[in-house]
Amino acid sequence: GAVVSQHPSRVICKSGTSVKIECRSLDFQATTMFWYRQFPKQSLMLMATSNEGSKATYEQGVEKDKFLINHASLTLSTLTVTSAHPEDSSFYICSAITGTTIYEQYFGPGTRLTVT
Amino acid sequence: GDSVTQMEGPVTLSEEAFLTINCTYTATGYPSLFWYVQYPGEGLQLLLKATKADDKGSNKGFEATYRKETTSFHLEKGSVQVSDSAVYFCALVVQGGSEKLVFGKGTKLTVNP
Repeated sequence: GAVVSQHPSRVICKSGTSVKIECRSLDFQATTMFWYRQFPKQSLMLMATSNEGSKATYEQGVEKDKFLINHASLTLSTLTVTSAHPEDSSFYICSAITGTTIYEQYFGPGTRLTVT
Repeated sequence: GDSVTQMEGPVTLSEEAFLTINCTYTATGYPSLFWYVQYPGEGLQLLLKATKADDKGSNKGFEATYRKETTSFHLEKGSVQVSDSAVYFCALVVQGGSEKLVFGKGTKLTVNP
């Protein structure tokens, strides 16, 4: 089946620094990629939707200047958390689809970000 | 808004036990309903789905029936295996609405031999 990878799987950074998370579709071209955030014991919350070569569409309440999303190719999207703070510590998950069927998302295994 | 509520975990069962994970929803339109499973160290994957009332989704011995009258989509399996240990997420999407997947909080299942 289709595989989506994320790198790194875990990252610890100091407050005020930026951290980049990569999401790759390994064996297919992704028309659309999604970024989710999951707090402990909470639902996955959609942060943004990105299409290759276009600006990402952010969900209400998500700061686009803080969570920079770049979808430079059909197999790679990156999420950069800028000037990270401890409240940004969370589990970040990406997913990708090949067509337009929204529920047929292929999910990455997630990245655990801890900001100290 | 649209939301999904599923039973709190964790759930611990012995092998061959019967499993039920409850899921109820609220939706602004007519939703399609899903169960996703996340095995340790892996990404979520679609387990089963139902797109209209009274539909039954099934896969790998798991079943869930779309009950419009009770706004529910409970996941069941008659005899769980150790390999079923995972986190299970109930979700919905309202076609023609926001067209976003809305997830429940997830229920962690551990099956002991």
